[in-house]
Amino acid sequence: AQKVTQAQTEISVVEKEDVTLDCVYETRDTTYYLFWYKQPPSGELVFLIRRNSFDEQNEISGRYSWNFQKSTSSFNFTITASQVVDSAVYFCALSESDNYGQNFVFGPGTRLSVLP
Amino acid sequence: DAGVTQSPTHLIKTRGQHVTLRCSPISGHKSVSWYQQVLGQGPQFIFQYYEKEERGRGNFPDRFSARQFPNYSSELNVNALLLGDSALYLCASSTGGRSAVYEQYFGPGTRLTVT
Repeated sequence: AQKVTQAQTEISVVEKEDVTLDCVYETRDTTYYLFWYKQPPSGELVFLIRRNSFDEQNEISGRYSWNFQKSTSSFNFTITASQVVDSAVYFCALSESDNYGQNFVFGPGTRLSVLP
Repeated sequence: DAGVTQSPTHLIKTRGQHVTLRCSPISGHKSVSWYQQVLGQGPQFIFQYYEKEERGRGNFPDRFSARQFPNYSSELNVNALLLGDSALYLCASSTGGRSAVYEQYFGPGTRLTVT
C-alpha cells in the first residue's frame, strides 16, 4: 500500500530564511511518481513538481529545490530566501501507474507561515 | 486557456439528500479524478476516469458514484448525505496515459456543507 508522511504539521519562519519541508513515502512498486503541490489560502491546489522513480537528479527552479533520495524514500522540498507569499499548505503526493489508472495518495500537508 | 472548472462553488444540503457536483477538465485532458478534502487534511482519492471508463476507486462507500461524458466532463454524485460528507470536493484533470502518471491540475473545488 502507498503511504506519504509529512511529519512537520506546521512551520513558521521569518522572511528570507531557508526552509525545508520533509516528505517520506512508502510504496512496493519500482515505478512510481512523486509530486509537490501548494495550497494557498485561496484553496486551489497548485502543481509544483513531478518526479519519476528513475530520475534521482535533484532539481532547482528559482528559489525552489527538491532532493529525491530513493535510499531513504524521501522527497524533500526546500525554499530558499522565503517570502510572505510562500505561506501556504504544502502537500507531497505519490502515485503508481496501473494501466491508465492513477491513484494519487497525498500526505497530510505542512502548513508554512512566513512572517515579515 | 481555461483551467479546470467546477460547479457549484458552494452548496448546503440536508442529511439524507442527494448532491451532484460537476467538473470540466482542461481542454485536451482525458483523465478526471475526484478528491475529498476534509478541513485540515490532505485530499483523499475518490474516483478516476479515463476515456469515460472508471480506472480507479478509493475507499469510499457506494453512496459515492461518478461518470465521465463524451466531452470528458464529469459528475460526482453522493446519495443519502451524512454530516461527515461535509468537505471540499476537488476535481483534477490530466492528460492521462498508459505508461506514465502525469501531473494533475486541480479546480477550485466545491465546498459542500451538510446540515
